[in-house]
Amino acid sequence: QKEVEQNSGPLSVPEGAIASLNCTYSDRVSQSFFWYRQYSGKSPELIMSIYSNGDKEDGRFTAQLNKASQYVSLLIRDSQPSDSATYLCAVARYGQNFVFGPGTRLSVLP
Amino acid sequence: DTAVSQTPKYLVTQMGNDKSIKCEQNLGHDTMYWYKQDSKKFLKIMFSYNNKELIINETVPNRFSPKSPDKAHLNLHINSLELGDSAVYFCASSPSGGLNEQYFGPGTRLTVT
Repeated sequence: QKEVEQNSGPLSVPEGAIASLNCTYSDRVSQSFFWYRQYSGKSPELIMSIYSNGDKEDGRFTAQLNKASQYVSLLIRDSQPSDSATYLCAVARYGQNFVFGPGTRLSVLP
Repeated sequence: DTAVSQTPKYLVTQMGNDKSIKCEQNLGHDTMYWYKQDSKKFLKIMFSYNNKELIINETVPNRFSPKSPDKAHLNLHINSLELGDSAVYFCASSPSGGLNEQYFGPGTRLTVT
C-alpha cells in the first residue's frame, strides 16, 4: 500500500464550482498534513497546513482532516481557471520527513 | 526578497560529468532539504539537514553528496552523472522539526545527455 494516495486526475470542474481534492495516508501516527499547489514548470507552493481533526478555512480554500479515517481533503470554492494546477498532499510524523502523494491535476474550465 | 533560491535554474551536461547545485534561504530556518522530482512528477526527499548536520539520507546513490557550509546554505554535488539523474531538483527549508511546513526554491532542471 502506498503511503500517501491521491487520484491522479485530471479533475475537471467548471469555473465557479467547488473542486474537491482527496488524499488518504497509511501511517496512523501521522501528525501534520499539508496541501501544496504546483503549476506546470514551477515549484510547489504551500496552500494550507492542518494538524487537528476538523475543518480549516483560508479564503476560498478549506482543508478537512479525519484522522480516524486517515483522510485529508482540500475544497476550493468558486474555482477559477488560475486554480488549474497539480495539487500535492504531504503527510509528516515526528522524526520522519514529509511523504508526498503523487498529486491530483485540476483543470478549471472557463 | 527571494526566500529560497537555487542556482542554476537549468543545467545541461553530459554523462560522466560532475556538477553542483547551490541553494540559499533567507528565512532563518534551521532545516533544509533536497528533493528530486522525476518525469512522472513524483516528489521524493533525498536529504535533510538540520543546523548543518545531516539528519535524513534516503536511499540515494553515493554519487550525490550534500554539503552545508552554514544553516542558510545547502549545496548538492553530483559525481559521474547518469541519464537517470535527469530530473528537477528542489531545495526546501522549514523551521526546525519535521512537522513544520516546508518552503520550496524554484528548482533546477538537470538534463543529462
